[in-house]
Amino acid sequence: AQRVTQPEKLLSVFKGAPVELKCNYSYSGSPELFWYVQYSRQRLQLLLRHISRESIKGFTADLNKGETSFHLKKPFAQEEDSAMYYCALSFSGSRLTFGEGTQLTVNP
Amino acid sequence: NAGVTQTPKFQVLKTGQSMTLQCAQDMNHNSMYWYRQDPGMGLRLIYYSASEGTTDKGEVPNGYNVSRLNKREFSLRLESAAPSQTSVYFCASSALQGRYTEAFFGQGTRLTVV
Repeated sequence: AQRVTQPEKLLSVFKGAPVELKCNYSYSGSPELFWYVQYSRQRLQLLLRHISRESIKGFTADLNKGETSFHLKKPFAQEEDSAMYYCALSFSGSRLTFGEGTQLTVNP
Repeated sequence: NAGVTQTPKFQVLKTGQSMTLQCAQDMNHNSMYWYRQDPGMGLRLIYYSASEGTTDKGEVPNGYNVSRLNKREFSLRLESAAPSQTSVYFCASSALQGRYTEAFFGQGTRLTVV
């Protein structure tokens, strides 16, 4: 069965500091990995997906198949990055499985 | 373009009452989902519909029923609400985008069962 684990429920950093949100997954095949974000009082929205190898709002995520990880990183956190972040997994276009979420707080 | 629309946004029920959460999408997506969001537990899939006329159970289906009325609409019904069903409920829809699936979410329904 596919499973996504985000070991940190809460993460707090200062503005300008690097931030890394961890995500590990278990799946035997080749999954598609995503990061979704939920800003305060807004709906969940896609932040980025591994297949696009893109950088969105300064965030990047690299799929490490050996470690089965898909950590989200940003070199210099901003206050507006404060939000709930969810890692998610899908395979062959099937339904999304989400992790437990990490609440990121960026302090001034 | 409304995307995914859920109603109602807020609801308070007494234990044992029933209600239906409505969801509609205007993006011509085949797949629709119902999730519940609880602190520390993330988003858990309740039910899933891959296409009109089909539904499948997710991780936490007990106490819920769903109906895929047509391609646009996917409703979630609580037949006899329990306090454990106090949660925020999200509807989502998705379509294959090339090789991957992007999901679009509704704004959520905050349900309290007393």
